[in-house]
Amino acid sequence: SQTIHQWPATLVQPVGSPLSLECTVEGTSNPNLYWYRQAAGRGLQLLFYSVGIGQISSEVPQNLSASRPQDRQFILSSKKLLLSDSGFYLCAWSGPDSPLHFGNGTRLTVT
Amino acid sequence: KQEVTQIPAALSVPEGENLVLNCSFTDSAIYNLQWFRQDPGKGLTSLLLIQSSQREQTSGRLNASLDKSSGRSTLYIAASQPGDSATYLCAVRVRGSTLGRLYFGRGTQLTVWP
Repeated sequence: SQTIHQWPATLVQPVGSPLSLECTVEGTSNPNLYWYRQAAGRGLQLLFYSVGIGQISSEVPQNLSASRPQDRQFILSSKKLLLSDSGFYLCAWSGPDSPLHFGNGTRLTVT
Repeated sequence: KQEVTQIPAALSVPEGENLVLNCSFTDSAIYNLQWFRQDPGKGLTSLLLIQSSQREQTSGRLNASLDKSSGRSTLYIAASQPGDSATYLCAVRVRGSTLGRLYFGRGTQLTVWP
């Protein structure tokens, strides 16, 4: 069966520091991968999606970037965090016609 | 642009009640609709996926229906239990959109008290 791992679960970082969140998927090949952000009082916002290694599409211009160095690995990064980057970050994967499956999320607090 | 609305935003019921959560969307040209459950501080768990050609899907005490022409879906929960307390979100995948591009509602926060 397929599983998705996302870490860390919680993170507190000062403004201006770098960020790296990692997500890996097991039990499937060539998944579609996504990064979502869920801010307090707001809905889920799609940040990035990827259909293959090295193929990244951005939905919203922002202070973040994403990379997919391996088929089942998706990384969310920032060179310098802003206060507005605080939120709940969720990685997800799907197949061509399968449901979207989410990781457990990372709670990021920028202080 | 597809907009997804969920009503009510919050719902509090006693244990044992049957209840209905509503989801509406503005663009009926959808590929599928998915219902999720989210516990506090956790990721989303997929509950049911309804393809655009289907009218309903069932899983245990959950039944989701889809009326594409009217832009509506309902999630029916039978004999609710305190363990059902969570936020329920619906999301639609639009035809012709970049694969996997889902539009989410803001969710219905359900509390079932014993």
